[in-house]
Amino acid sequence: AQSVTQPDIHITVSEGASLELRCNYSYGATPYLFWYVQSPGQGLQLLLKYFSGDTLVQGIKGFEAEFKRSQSSFNLRKPSVHWSDAAEYFCAVVFGEAGTALIFGKGTTLSVSS
Amino acid sequence: DSGVTQTPKHLITATGQRVTLRCSPRSGDLSVYWYQQSLDQGLQFLIQYYNGEERAKGNILERFSAQQFPDLHSELNLSSLELGDSALYFCASSVSLAPRDEQFFGPGTRLTVL
Repeated sequence: AQSVTQPDIHITVSEGASLELRCNYSYGATPYLFWYVQSPGQGLQLLLKYFSGDTLVQGIKGFEAEFKRSQSSFNLRKPSVHWSDAAEYFCAVVFGEAGTALIFGKGTTLSVSS
Repeated sequence: DSGVTQTPKHLITATGQRVTLRCSPRSGDLSVYWYQQSLDQGLQFLIQYYNGEERAKGNILERFSAQQFPDLHSELNLSSLELGDSALYFCASSVSLAPRDEQFFGPGTRLTVL
């Protein structure tokens, strides 16, 4: 079955430190990949997306993600985390042949310590 | 602000009752998705409409139904409510049916079933 895995439920990072959130998906063809962020009490906001081409994509708020086909991964990174980055992060995939609905991972909660 | 509006913001009701959640997509968007976010199931796709027609179904219970009206707003009807239906319900809209289209999320309706 098509699925998205975010192995880390909760991560704590010091302010100013680098961040990497992991995401793996299961499927044969190249999917459409997204990272969303959800702040407490808010809806979901798109950080970045990947469809094809350059495997390193830049998003908003200083985030980037790298698609690695061999590892079926799409990890989210940020070189220097700010306290305002504390939120829940969701990796999501559209498996085009199966429609256009997003399939979400379980999410990773990011806490930022000072 | 994503441009997607959802009403009401909060809804508290009793088991066995029926409720209607409303969503207005972004201006110009033809596709509307409904997602459910709960602690145990995470974010799950329920149903999609495109230009008034049902397009895809996900993990939607038979007690739930939806429709999209000629003005493109959508309603999600939940009936015979159970405690387990308590969740955050999101509506998202996109411009077309292309898998690469960004889905813009509303702020959600928090449903509490007592």
